[in-house]
Amino acid sequence: ETGVTQTPRHLVMGMTNKKSLKCEQHLGHNAMYWYKQSAKKPLELMFVYSLEERVENNSVPSRFSPECPNSSHLFLHLHTLQPEDSALYLCASSQVLGNGYTFGSGTRLTVV
Amino acid sequence: ELKVEQNPLFLSMQEGKNYTIYCNYSTTSDRLYWYRQDPGKSLESLFVLLSNGAVKQEGRLMASLDTKARLSTLHITAAVHDLSATYFCAVDEGNFGNEKLTFGTGTRLTIIP
Repeated sequence: ETGVTQTPRHLVMGMTNKKSLKCEQHLGHNAMYWYKQSAKKPLELMFVYSLEERVENNSVPSRFSPECPNSSHLFLHLHTLQPEDSALYLCASSQVLGNGYTFGSGTRLTVV
Repeated sequence: ELKVEQNPLFLSMQEGKNYTIYCNYSTTSDRLYWYRQDPGKSLESLFVLLSNGAVKQEGRLMASLDTKARLSTLHITAAVHDLSATYFCAVDEGNFGNEKLTFGTGTRLTIIP
């Protein structure tokens, strides 16, 4: 375990479903991130929260909605997804101007 | 827009051989990271390079950073099978105290007995 916990590990959902991904860190970090990793594509930054405030939204479709209720928790709410949204979703945390990210184990999402 | 390019994308090498993975990036930064990813797993931090000329070594892996050339290298010495994985470099272009890493495409390394 890296100190960043993601649940669930695997998720299969229909295009009309609503689900949420959860990320939790107890490393005392003050920034959290969502990345998307698809086959044959670089890791794509989706959202950045620093000190619980969203500081980056990388042109992500509105069917993805992040929430950061406190510095230890980060959610990604999903609704009306498309099959091309199937990917590994990685959460990471860091200390501001720290030593890079600590990643969670990821959620493998399949949209059917 | 920051671009981070790695080469090669795929690398098969025999055990015992040496090889180098290259990471080029397009804008000024003096913070570069290397990560390892095993199939189906998350990313594990390998090296943090925070200044020009930085060199870090861990076992059979050595990473270096040349900020003037915008180039980092990951050198593998006398490869062994358990080094098979995908290796990513990432460059930090964050401002105002926020880290923002842009990742390369990754190099899938396969070590052949």
